[in-house]
Amino acid sequence: GDSVTQMEGPVTLSEEAFLTINCTYTATGYPSLFWYVQYPGEGLQLLLKATKADDKGSNKGFEATYRKETTSFHLEKGSVQVSDSAVYFCALRGVGTGGFKTIFGAGTRLFVKA
Amino acid sequence: GAGVSQSPSNKVTEKGKDVELRCDPISGHTALYWYRQSLGQGLEFLIYFQGNSAPDKSGLPSDRFSAERTGGSVSTLTIQRTQQEDSAVYLCASTPDRNSGNTIYFGEGSWLTVV
Repeated sequence: GDSVTQMEGPVTLSEEAFLTINCTYTATGYPSLFWYVQYPGEGLQLLLKATKADDKGSNKGFEATYRKETTSFHLEKGSVQVSDSAVYFCALRGVGTGGFKTIFGAGTRLFVKA
Repeated sequence: GAGVSQSPSNKVTEKGKDVELRCDPISGHTALYWYRQSLGQGLEFLIYFQGNSAPDKSGLPSDRFSAERTGGSVSTLTIQRTQQEDSAVYLCASTPDRNSGNTIYFGEGSWLTVV
């Protein structure tokens, strides 16, 4: 079945450092790919998405490119801030039984130090 | 309402008791999901509804767990004879489900503690 694997955390960075959180997937067909974020004390919310190969999703300085050849959707940000401290979830959404099913990775916790 | 609404937001129950968790999805969203998030863990898929039917129940951890959805709207997740390992945040999400690119929208979750 479909699955998502993302790098284990926690990841600890200093402010203004470069961030990469790796995400790879296995899927039949052509899923859409997502990054969701969960800030402390808040619910899960969409960060960015890409719906087809070579698309780049971007939001709040974060970017991720849908790479079909490497089945990856790595999250990057050039300069992190303390306010980026959160848990980041990679997800794929593809055809499931009776409709579309969204599968999440295990999540990666990011701590950014001032 | 404007977003996915879940109740109760917090529930403390004694081991062996039954609990019901409620989810009110965004109006017009045909698909509804239940996930579980244990402390320090990722999101565990439980069940998926398309309208009132549940084509995918593969994530329910045991027969103590059940869920239903009525009127294509509100859903209830029931846990019978709760155990301490059931303690987690139970998240509900909904989406229009028209294509794979649809974002799913989460509620704030129901925090369940079994003592």
